[in-house]
Amino acid sequence: ETGVTQSPTHLIKTRGQQVTLRCSSQSGHNTVSWYQQALGQGPQFIFQYYREEENGRGNFPPRFSGLQFPNYSSELNVNALELDDSALYLCASRPYTLNTEAFFGQGTRLTVV
Amino acid sequence: DAKTTQPPSMDCAEGRAANLPCNHSTISGNEYVYWYRQIHSQGPQYIIHGLKNNETNEMASLIITEDRKSSTLILPHATLRDTAVYYCIVRVSFQQAGTALIFGKGTTLSVSS
Repeated sequence: ETGVTQSPTHLIKTRGQQVTLRCSSQSGHNTVSWYQQALGQGPQFIFQYYREEENGRGNFPPRFSGLQFPNYSSELNVNALELDDSALYLCASRPYTLNTEAFFGQGTRLTVV
Repeated sequence: DAKTTQPPSMDCAEGRAANLPCNHSTISGNEYVYWYRQIHSQGPQYIIHGLKNNETNEMASLIITEDRKSSTLILPHATLRDTAVYYCIVRVSFQQAGTALIFGKGTTLSVSS
């Protein structure tokens, strides 16, 4: 059984560019969430996807968008990158039942210059 | 906004029990308390969770007060590998049936020999 995998592990982008981060959920997990973790801070919830639909969103602007595919994998897209978008982006997956834990990937370290 | 408050740092001697406190005075009746830890900016690792009863697993014990306004994570025999940032988290629900883990700033636990 494979865990949650994210790609790429590191990425450098220029301010104003667009970026796509990818996440493969753990086998059998149909719910995927994305988090942003700035240096020295706890992770902040961006949004969650279930059955290819967004069903929860944190306090992030619309330039943060996502997709979930039929195989439950997911993408996080960020448009018009800003310097403050530099962070570790974490993906977490879990089965869609109420009383379960989420499993996190190792994250993608995004640096915006 | 974070719904939990934790001390920023704690120390523990190897082999002793580590007791990590958390306040969540605004928690709602159906919101779970989760604990995760994070080592060196890796992805957060699940430890334990509970609603109102005390819980125990192979890693730790979770003690939740009767009024649910605070809890304590207990690592019974701390080792050097338990040095990490420990997050006490409230899981919230959205109208669209999504859920999110709301992280605070965490407690940095340092275990020394």
